[in-house]
Amino acid sequence: GAVVSQHPSWVICKSGTSVKIECRSLDFQATTMFWYRQFPKQSLMLMATSNEGSKATYEQGVEKDKFLINHASLTLSTLTVTSAHPEDSSFYICSARDPARAEGNEQFFGPGTRLTVL
Amino acid sequence: AQRVTQPEKLLSVFKGAPVELKCNYSYSGSPELFWYVQYSRQRLQLLLRHISRESIKGFTADLNKGETSFHLKKPFAQEEDSAMYYCALSGAGRRALTFGSGTRLQVQP
Repeated sequence: GAVVSQHPSWVICKSGTSVKIECRSLDFQATTMFWYRQFPKQSLMLMATSNEGSKATYEQGVEKDKFLINHASLTLSTLTVTSAHPEDSSFYICSARDPARAEGNEQFFGPGTRLTVL
Repeated sequence: AQRVTQPEKLLSVFKGAPVELKCNYSYSGSPELFWYVQYSRQRLQLLLRHISRESIKGFTADLNKGETSFHLKKPFAQEEDSAMYYCALSGAGRRALTFGSGTRLQVQP
């Protein structure tokens, strides 16, 4: 149980276009999902916390108008990179917490989406 | 601010040797500490967490509040342990994780 999927697994787009990445909890309901970003050979950096039915909470330095997050249901959060530029190229990873599991704050991670902006 | 430090980018050992992956943290309250592992071409997955005080795949980690450390240990490394290991912290009231920079463990035959 507790599987998180992401779609697409990779995407290549032209500079200036927008890209949407989906994160789904397949067998549990996630009121909170998290979006991370990972540059090559670096660690995961939290971008934002996605809350079902309310606005996302962005980390300092992350542009909310550039990285639009929507969490319209208990099993789906989307990250839209608007007007993407080459410097947005990165590996985007989502995670979700299963509130039904009472043991601590374990998060389940998606497989990630590699975005390449030409 | 919370911070997780993993001083070693790469740790290479021979099969059967003991392993210790270091993790130090900075947090003013009572943190929740985790070790996540990422095998080649697989997603990040939880290895163990300090509140469970369990041993997974022969790995253990003890939270030392005095030294603010949560080192991961295994007495006898196996080749299948080769992977990227991340130490992570979650602060009270904040469910997001802060990750260390990761340590790549290579277990040679």
